[in-house]
Amino acid sequence: NAGVTQTPKFQVLKTGQSMTLQCAQDMNHNSMYWYRQDPGMGLRLIYYSASEGTTDKGEVPNGYNVSRLNKREFSLRLESAAPSQTSVYFCASSEGHSMQPQHFGDGTRLSIL
Amino acid sequence: DQQVKQNSPSLSVQEGRISILNCDYTNSMFDYFLWYKKYPAEGPTFLISISSIKDKNEDGRFTVFLNKSAKHLSLHIVPSQPGDSAVYFCAASAIRGDDKIIFGKGTRLHILP
Repeated sequence: NAGVTQTPKFQVLKTGQSMTLQCAQDMNHNSMYWYRQDPGMGLRLIYYSASEGTTDKGEVPNGYNVSRLNKREFSLRLESAAPSQTSVYFCASSEGHSMQPQHFGDGTRLSIL
Repeated sequence: DQQVKQNSPSLSVQEGRISILNCDYTNSMFDYFLWYKKYPAEGPTFLISISSIKDKNEDGRFTVFLNKSAKHLSLHIVPSQPGDSAVYFCAASAIRGDDKIIFGKGTRLHILP
């Protein structure tokens, strides 16, 4: 019973490199989300997808792109990584109703040098 | 502009005593509130929620209280146990809004032996 799976768990990039963070859920959830967590900043929404084929910007979308490949998978891409994007990235999914709690993956720790 | 505020970055409580974590919100459209718990190197996990039609919700040792007029909610943990040491995030959403949940910055709870 995997829930939400994120890959990779850790990654170090050089400034300017590109990278795609992968996320997959096996709960047949409609909605998927990408967050970043920085010290003292809590969880900030980058992008979300309310259903397959749709994506919307969250609070901090600049420098990122997303793809909802199918109902299971939601990827986050950094086209040209910057040191300010050093963070822990969490993917989450939910049934899609705002009363439904989100289920989170264990995160990807990304360092940009 | 923070819509969900957790003003205490950390809290230390003796094992067996009551832990009270506080959260304030500014957006009057919020009508559903959640608490998440996060251990190091793991994703947040859903703990308990409350709808604005209630002022209290209880689940075992965890109780959430909502004061709508003050735009304030609190999480009570009784009795506190060592495994409760974690970061707790308060979150809020608007049931008739989009599927976004707004998170606070978190409070780190230390349970002292």
